[in-house]
Amino acid sequence: QKEVEQNSGPLSVPEGAIASLNCTYSDRGSQSFFWYRQYSGKSPELIMSIYSNGDKEDGRFTAQLNKASQYVSLLIRDSQPSDSATYLCAVNPSNTGKLIFGQGTTLQVKP
Amino acid sequence: KAGVTQTPRYLIKTRGQQVTLSCSPISGHRSVSWYQQTPGQGLQFLFEYFSETQRNKGNFPGRFSGRQFSNSRSEMNVSTLELGDSALYLCASSFDTRGIAFFGQGTRLTVV
Repeated sequence: QKEVEQNSGPLSVPEGAIASLNCTYSDRGSQSFFWYRQYSGKSPELIMSIYSNGDKEDGRFTAQLNKASQYVSLLIRDSQPSDSATYLCAVNPSNTGKLIFGQGTTLQVKP
Repeated sequence: KAGVTQTPRYLIKTRGQQVTLSCSPISGHRSVSWYQQTPGQGLQFLFEYFSETQRNKGNFPGRFSGRQFSNSRSEMNVSTLELGDSALYLCASSFDTRGIAFFGQGTRLTVV
């Protein structure tokens, strides 16, 4: 079992819809969780961080964390074509600088 | 504030050679981590340095090594290059231990 798992996609949604990206992790002791966005040929950029169970909202993005189910998700409301990218889920298992990444989910937002 | 700076951006090396990549973290950040990204394996953790000490190491052979200087700048070295080492090498810096990492633009290494 991989430490961090994501559906590789592609996930295709129409413009203006809600995109839902999911991630599960295996280390129950993990405390910090992150979503990164990576455009083709570019480096990952941080979208959201979340540390506590529940929802965290930032603009059109909402991160959800359920530690009991070892599940993290990212919702993107009012999806735009510019949101088309690969979304990487990352888990910090030990509160150091080490991040474990999922394989990423490719999101396509169609005009 | 300047972001994470990696040099060089592109490298072409021959099998058997060695290579050194450089990373300058965001000012004030003391943690520097290195990752290898390939289409097949995704983003894999190489190692992390904090205040000049290696704090974490990933599952890579000993050909991969690194170091951090007193000004937090970091270098990674790959010796005896193999074709499979062709990848995007990413450096990330963090201010604290909660791991909010900011990535540099990466170094694209091609081994021929």
